[in-house]
Amino acid sequence: KQEVTQIPAALSVPEGENLVLNCSFTDSAIYNLQWFRQDPGKGLTSLLLIQSSQREQTSGRLNASLDKSSGRSTLYIAASQPGDSATYLCAVGTDNYGQNFVFGPGTRLSVLP
Amino acid sequence: DTEVTQTPKHLVMGMTNKKSLKCEQHMGHRAMYWYKQKAKKPPELMFVYSYEKLSINESVPSRFSPECPNSSLLNLHLHALQPEDSALYLCASSQGWDYPPDTQYFGPGTRLTVL
Repeated sequence: KQEVTQIPAALSVPEGENLVLNCSFTDSAIYNLQWFRQDPGKGLTSLLLIQSSQREQTSGRLNASLDKSSGRSTLYIAASQPGDSATYLCAVGTDNYGQNFVFGPGTRLSVLP
Repeated sequence: DTEVTQTPKHLVMGMTNKKSLKCEQHMGHRAMYWYKQKAKKPPELMFVYSYEKLSINESVPSRFSPECPNSSLLNLHLHALQPEDSALYLCASSQGWDYPPDTQYFGPGTRLTVL
């Protein structure tokens, strides 16, 4: 059974810092991996989707990497801003239809002005 | 329009009530999902509808009954719920199985409280 963990559970940084969030999964036979952002009490917003054949994806200040063989993904946020404060979840796609994702517990990020 | 809408935003119900949650999307997506999320926990998949047919049911109790009347609409009927069913219920949609695996678009959720 696929298990997804995220480290750290919570992170507080001053504005402007670059930071890295980590995601680990136990079964390397994945189809894709997504990073989501969730604001308190709200739905999820997809940030980046990496297909299993890809090594990384970039969007603005965000860069996500994927190493299937080691069961790891990282989300790099450059020049953090207070508006980046949210919970970041990684989700591993376990079927070829893109319908079944296993979510990690998330990292709660606070960016202080 | 890349929006998934959910109604109501908040719902308080007693254990003997019958209520329904509604989800709608107009992106032409053919897969729709219900997730349950408890506080400070990740979302847990409940049901998946693919082309209006139930394709995944993650052993959810029968007091939760999903319905997909058409490709744009997804309902979750609730009956005889327990207080531990209180959670944020999230709806999502994606293109469908005959497309390359793609992102899921999530609605804002319905905050359900069972008294």
